[in-house]
Amino acid sequence: AQKVTQAQTEISVVEKEDVTLDCVYETRDTTYYLFWYKQPPSGELVFLIRRNSFDEQNEISGRYSWNFQKSTSSFNFTITASQVVDSAVYFCARRQGGSEKLVFGKGMKLTVNP
Amino acid sequence: GAGVSQTPSNKVTEKGKYVELRCDPISGHTALYWYRQSLGQGPEFLIYFQGTGAADDSGLPNDRFFAVRPEGSVSTLKIQRTERGDSAVYLCASRAGGAGDTQYFGPGTRLTVL
Repeated sequence: AQKVTQAQTEISVVEKEDVTLDCVYETRDTTYYLFWYKQPPSGELVFLIRRNSFDEQNEISGRYSWNFQKSTSSFNFTITASQVVDSAVYFCARRQGGSEKLVFGKGMKLTVNP
Repeated sequence: GAGVSQTPSNKVTEKGKYVELRCDPISGHTALYWYRQSLGQGPEFLIYFQGTGAADDSGLPNDRFFAVRPEGSVSTLKIQRTERGDSAVYLCASRAGGAGDTQYFGPGTRLTVL
């Protein structure tokens, strides 16, 4: 199976620190899509970003930024100046072209302390 | 607009019983997905519907699991002869048309089999 690996299982930071969440994926496909979802304590998965394999441009959205590097099969997520409300489990996921399945990593629990 | 809704939010049943879990997708979304999330893990794909038909049911663990979407909107996941190992959060997602479009998730149903 082509895995998605989130090597960090849990990170704890103090408010206003920057934090980077790592994601490494396996794929033999040329066309695929990468995603990040946030799962707060309420349980609902909240979509954050989608990237297709042909678009390596990094993206910034407010305090969030994503670094997609095909050469290292990585799609890392950085939260700048973290806030308590960022506390959640974050999942990286991949969908290969021609398939509808999302393959998720195991998630990374982020705790931001005041 | 309204997001994906799932009922019930919690379901406790006894081993061997039959359960039904319901998903109402976002209005107008043609694709619907079921995933299962065990404690401390990422969601795992179960089944995908395009319209009324199950286009990919390769993630269903065995023949005790079945899902329907008779009118192309609401879907029901049915589990027969429940086992303790079926305890998990069952997540539903829907997607508008078009390749690469994002799957939007509901809050999930937490199933506990005693």
